Amino acid sequence: EVQLLESGGGLVQPGGSLRLSCASSGFTFRSSAMSWVRQAPGKGLEWVSVVSGSGGSTYYADSVRGRFTVSRDNSKNTLYLQMNSLRAEDTAVYYCAKDALRQYYYMEVWGKGTTVTVSS
Amino acid sequence: QTVVTQEPSFSVSPGETVTLTCGLSSGSVSTNYYPSWYQQTPGQAPRTLIYNTNTRSSGVPDRFSGSILGNKAALTITGAQADDECDYYCVLYMGSGVYVFGTGTKVTVL
Repeated sequence: EVQLLESGGGLVQPGGSLRLSCASSGFTFRSSAMSWVRQAPGKGLEWVSVVSGSGGSTYYADSVRGRFTVSRDNSKNTLYLQMNSLRAEDTAVYYCAKDALRQYYYMEVWGKGTTVTVSS
Repeated sequence: QTVVTQEPSFSVSPGETVTLTCGLSSGSVSTNYYPSWYQQTPGQAPRTLIYNTNTRSSGVPDRFSGSILGNKAALTITGAQADDECDYYCVLYMGSGVYVFGTGTKVTVL
């Protein structure tokens, strides 16, 4: 069974940094692209970033490009999202998802999410 | 800035059929955008329903179906049930690694 477990969320001041993690199991992690998707309170879902299975290709939404960095450690089956220069509008639940990039281009399986709050 | 539009809300009676749509602010949706659909109950993670326009994800009941209708992607719920009451989102793949979520549709079953 595919399982994704996000961690690392919390309260951070504007301008601060946070690193999210997504521990994965139940599938061949290195063979799968992975995405981050977020949802601000009371709002819809927003795609944030995707990384290829090797980690060699990364893509970002305009709203986070230059501030967020996605990476992965295939030896640890773990996905990361380094978030810098955080703003109030980055407050959201952040989900990781197993992504079928370059196959059928969709999010196959989702984690339960971790909450990030950016506030002074 | 690409906007993917969905109806804000839909109300359906139990047993009826409802079709939700997913369009582009400019242009037509085709299979080349690999439309996918997700269901989300408040406070829960999304659940994948449909991918590649019309392929049901594992375990999804066959009352959910996807298609292209005119210039939009569509999700049809045939014989709506009470537990279909939640939010539905479409996603379009825009190329170059970029996805865009639709604005979401809140479905009420009453």
